Amino acid sequence: ETGVTQTPRHLVMGMTNKKSLKCEQHLGHNAMYWYKQSAKKPLELMFVYSLEERVENNSVPSRFSPECPNSSHLFLHLHTLQPEDSALYLCASSQGPDPTTDTQYFGPGTRLTVL
Amino acid sequence: AQSVTQLGSHVSVSEGALVLLRCNYSSSVPPYLFWYVQYPNQGLQLLLKYTTGATLVKGINGFEAEFKKSETSFHLTKPSAHMSDAAEYFCAVRLQTGANNLFFGTGTRLTVIP
Repeated sequence: ETGVTQTPRHLVMGMTNKKSLKCEQHLGHNAMYWYKQSAKKPLELMFVYSLEERVENNSVPSRFSPECPNSSHLFLHLHTLQPEDSALYLCASSQGPDPTTDTQYFGPGTRLTVL
Repeated sequence: AQSVTQLGSHVSVSEGALVLLRCNYSSSVPPYLFWYVQYPNQGLQLLLKYTTGATLVKGINGFEAEFKKSETSFHLTKPSAHMSDAAEYFCAVRLQTGANNLFFGTGTRLTVIP
């Protein structure tokens, strides 16, 4: 498998469920990102990890909890979500740290529907 | 703060016609600029980027974009549209230093009419 993979591709959950999204990068990168893509809105950066340490958290509600056990894997744990959390969740990775070459590569996303 | 404006949420062109997708940015310092494409049910794929050097950058699939500092623009063009170009296109900016935080526009959906 190459690039950035995400599982599952589709997820339907109730507001009281607990689920997790998984992202894996096969590019040898050092940084990983979670984005939320909602209709008619710009992509929203949720979390950034660099060398497995969280470096950015853009005021995301605590019902979203990231985990980065190593530089190749990133999880997003979901708990008591709201219907407005329904969106496409995209994972990305980048090599770092040279900004001229530090390009983000995206996975295919997980389409989340909260009932 | 950085921001990106993409004029036109939907653009339609005939097959073989010129494609022009507009992007203007706001940044306190010159940023790095990117265009990504998203095909249905897929993630974002990098088309091209500007960091330094030549202001006209060429990307994949025949696309190119020109950085115009005086106009704070980074418009995406392709001389001749192909049916396979139908997708959503996103312009993004980031600062030249600091964290690799991308700020995206709201996207432009390109339709190619046969």
